Amino acid sequence: EAGVVQSPRYKIIEKKQPVAFWCNPISGHNTLYWYRQNLGQGPELLIRYENEEAVDDSQLPKDRFSAERLKGVDSTLKIQPAELGDSAVYLCASSLRGVNEAFFGQGTRLTVV
Amino acid sequence: QKEVEQNSGPLSVPEGAIASLNCTYSDRVSQSFFWYRQYSGKSPELIMSIYSNGDKEDGRFTAQLNKASQYVSLLIRDSQPSDSATYLCAVPTVSNFNKFYFGSGTKLNVKP
Repeated sequence: EAGVVQSPRYKIIEKKQPVAFWCNPISGHNTLYWYRQNLGQGPELLIRYENEEAVDDSQLPKDRFSAERLKGVDSTLKIQPAELGDSAVYLCASSLRGVNEAFFGQGTRLTVV
Repeated sequence: QKEVEQNSGPLSVPEGAIASLNCTYSDRVSQSFFWYRQYSGKSPELIMSIYSNGDKEDGRFTAQLNKASQYVSLLIRDSQPSDSATYLCAVPTVSNFNKFYFGSGTKLNVKP
């Protein structure tokens, strides 16, 4: 069974440019998470979906970040415009609803220059 | 106070020794606890979960939970250089079963 798939793996953009990340969760997993991980830190939740509904987006900087999960499967996370401080690894994870165990994708390493 | 706290390390142990990694959490009513391993440049990988007080063993790994002290630990027996990684402790909120708080991780170096 395929794990969580993310693309791209790496992205370098200039500040003020837009960027988008894509995630395909494990088949059948209702819950999808986007995390941001800064160097030397643990992952921090940006947004969590239950199917297509965003049930926790309190940590998402809504002035520049947006996310969607159409049809309750794939998800995209967008940043517009990007700032230097957005440089980090963006991780997608998924789990079955009601089951704690989350599985992570390979992540997207974003560098804003 | 952070929800989940870990010593950032690095923790250095010789090959074959026992590595002990510790984690404290602030939510007294937390019910489940997870350890993730993260190799440099890779994503976190779930290696252990524990739900009740006491010990849970899986191969060379033992998770220990003490709810009274709000403390969870991970022991790695017969440490190998391949165990060198950052170990993240994760605790879901009780009010929101699928929302995890992660510690900042402890970096483990196992020296050959």
